[in-house]
Amino acid sequence: QKEVEQNSGPLSVPEGAIASLNCTYSDRGSQSFFWYRQYSGKSPELIMFIYSNGDKEDGRFTAQLNKASQYVSLLIRDSQPSDSATYLCAVRVYGNNRLAFGKGNQVVVIP
Amino acid sequence: ETGVTQSPTHLIKTRGQQVTLRCSSQSGHNTVSWYQQALGQGPQFIFQYYREEENGRGNFPPRFSGLQFPNYSSELNVNALELDDSALYLCASSNRDGLYEQYFGPGTRLTVT
Repeated sequence: QKEVEQNSGPLSVPEGAIASLNCTYSDRGSQSFFWYRQYSGKSPELIMFIYSNGDKEDGRFTAQLNKASQYVSLLIRDSQPSDSATYLCAVRVYGNNRLAFGKGNQVVVIP
Repeated sequence: ETGVTQSPTHLIKTRGQQVTLRCSSQSGHNTVSWYQQALGQGPQFIFQYYREEENGRGNFPPRFSGLQFPNYSSELNVNALELDDSALYLCASSNRDGLYEQYFGPGTRLTVT
């Protein structure tokens, strides 16, 4: 079982719509969760982190955490063409200092 | 910009050679983590340095080694390069004594031929 799993395949959304990304993790002891955005040819950029169950909003981004079900999600409201990128879910491994990453989800916002 | 810098930006090496990659951490950060990202994959943890000591290692062979200096900058050394070492190498800076967010530098693109 992979430590962090993200849905495969690109997600195409019309401009102005909501993009929804999901991520599941295997380590029930994990406490810290992160979303990174990565543009093609660039390094990952931290856009959200969440430590508690529930929702956390930052501008057009909302992260949702459900520890009981072991999933994290990211919503991008009012999607813009500049949101077109790969989104990486990362989990801090319990008892360790490393981040485990999913494979990433490509988002394409269509004008 | 995160304040994390890496050098060089790109590098082309031949199989069997050795390479050293460098990273300067963000001001106020004492921890550097190194990751390898192959095309189409998420970053894979190589190792982490905290206060000049290795503080965790991923599933990478011993020919991957590192250092951290008193100013918290760091080096990643790879010996006996293999074709599969071709990847984007990322350095992430964080403050282990505080919040745990990790901020990435721009990366070094290594091509092994």
